[in-house]
Amino acid sequence: NAGVTQTPKFQVLKTGQSMTLQCAQDMNHEYMSWYRQDPGMGLRLIHYSVGAGITDQGEVPNGYNVSRSTTEDFPLRLLSAAPSQTSVYFCASSSQGGAGGYTFGSGTRLTVV
Amino acid sequence: AQSVTQPDIHITVSEGASLELRCNYSYGATPYLFWYVQSPGQGLQLLLKYFSGDTLVQGIKGFEAEFKRSQSSFNLRKPSVHWSDAAEYFCAAFTGNQFYFGTGTSLTVIP
Repeated sequence: NAGVTQTPKFQVLKTGQSMTLQCAQDMNHEYMSWYRQDPGMGLRLIHYSVGAGITDQGEVPNGYNVSRSTTEDFPLRLLSAAPSQTSVYFCASSSQGGAGGYTFGSGTRLTVV
Repeated sequence: AQSVTQPDIHITVSEGASLELRCNYSYGATPYLFWYVQSPGQGLQLLLKYFSGDTLVQGIKGFEAEFKRSQSSFNLRKPSVHWSDAAEYFCAAFTGNQFYFGTGTSLTVIP
């Protein structure tokens, strides 16, 4: 099993550009989330989804959109990139409605200049 | 509000010494509890998890954690630390709706 696959691994954007971070899992997990990780701040939840067609906001949703059209995919869209969005982004999925614990992707390191 | 607290930002131990990383949670009921490890430049890997039952749970890489309801704690332990254990450790709680992560404890292992 591939687990949780994130692409790209690295990305540099100019301020104002938009892009989509891809996340796919092959474990048939219902629960998926996006986090950003910044030094000294741990992991902060951006958006999450409890199943196809259902998404909700986390702690830091501003500037990001998500959709969940299939169980496997949960892309994160940056609408108009800002330097404050420079971070490492992790996608994670979980079975049992979240109680199974997360499986994390390897992350996307995003720099906005 | 629900929260997970890791009071130690950074810990240094000698190789072969024992290790205890602290974690406290704030939630009305007992949540599902987890410990994750993150090596530099990597994603997070699940070390162990607690749902219910025995308060001492065993995980991978020789780690264990003890759940203490009276103290709202879920501390991670290892009897003898190896140099390869140097990493960032995160405690997390799942309350049935969302995961809550602590801010992490960075572990340095000195020879």
